Amino acid sequence: QKEVEQNSGPLSVPEGAIASLNCTYSDRGSQSFFWYRQYSGKSPELIMSIYSNGDKEDGRFTAQLNKASQYVSLLIRDSQPSDSATYLCAVNYGGSQGNLIFGKGTKLSVKP
Amino acid sequence: DTAVSQTPKYLVTQMGNDKSIKCEQNLGHDTMYWYKQDSKKFLKIMFSYNNKELIINETVPNRFSPKSPDKAHLNLHINSLELGDSAVYFCASSPTISGEDAFFGQGTRLTVV
Repeated sequence: QKEVEQNSGPLSVPEGAIASLNCTYSDRGSQSFFWYRQYSGKSPELIMSIYSNGDKEDGRFTAQLNKASQYVSLLIRDSQPSDSATYLCAVNYGGSQGNLIFGKGTKLSVKP
Repeated sequence: DTAVSQTPKYLVTQMGNDKSIKCEQNLGHDTMYWYKQDSKKFLKIMFSYNNKELIINETVPNRFSPKSPDKAHLNLHINSLELGDSAVYFCASSPTISGEDAFFGQGTRLTVV
């Protein structure tokens, strides 16, 4: 059974702090990793993708991938109340088969 | 124009009925998906189509039948609806078969009473 694990939270951080969201996955053969943000009552929205070990930065967001540890994380710097949402980790397990599996999401709350 | 559009946005129906949800994407993507998000917000893949061909069919009751008349459309028909089918159903599309840059529709909230 291919799985993607996340702490459900809620994770509460003060405004301006760094929020750290973590995700582990079960299949070593996975090549593509994604972070989606989902506001309450809305659809998931892609915010980061990462394919190689190391860090990838995009504005206030940094995705980190460690394939040896089967671990991917998302750091949000200078957290804002508007970052309050559920963050979903997704892993492509299928390679050419297109099986994009999601974790259960971590709910982030940024307090003003 | 909405990139991935689903209709209807809300659907309330009685147990035992048959209903359909439609999805259209204008992004030119080759791959489309149906996901179910339950009350605990778990987003679970149901089906994946690439160029109108079924490539993933997860463990889903055969009351659920997807249909892709062309690569821009992926509809979901559900027979004999049950209370447990109540959820939000999301359609998504991706330019690649491996799911990169998947873009989601706004969702269809199905309530079975």
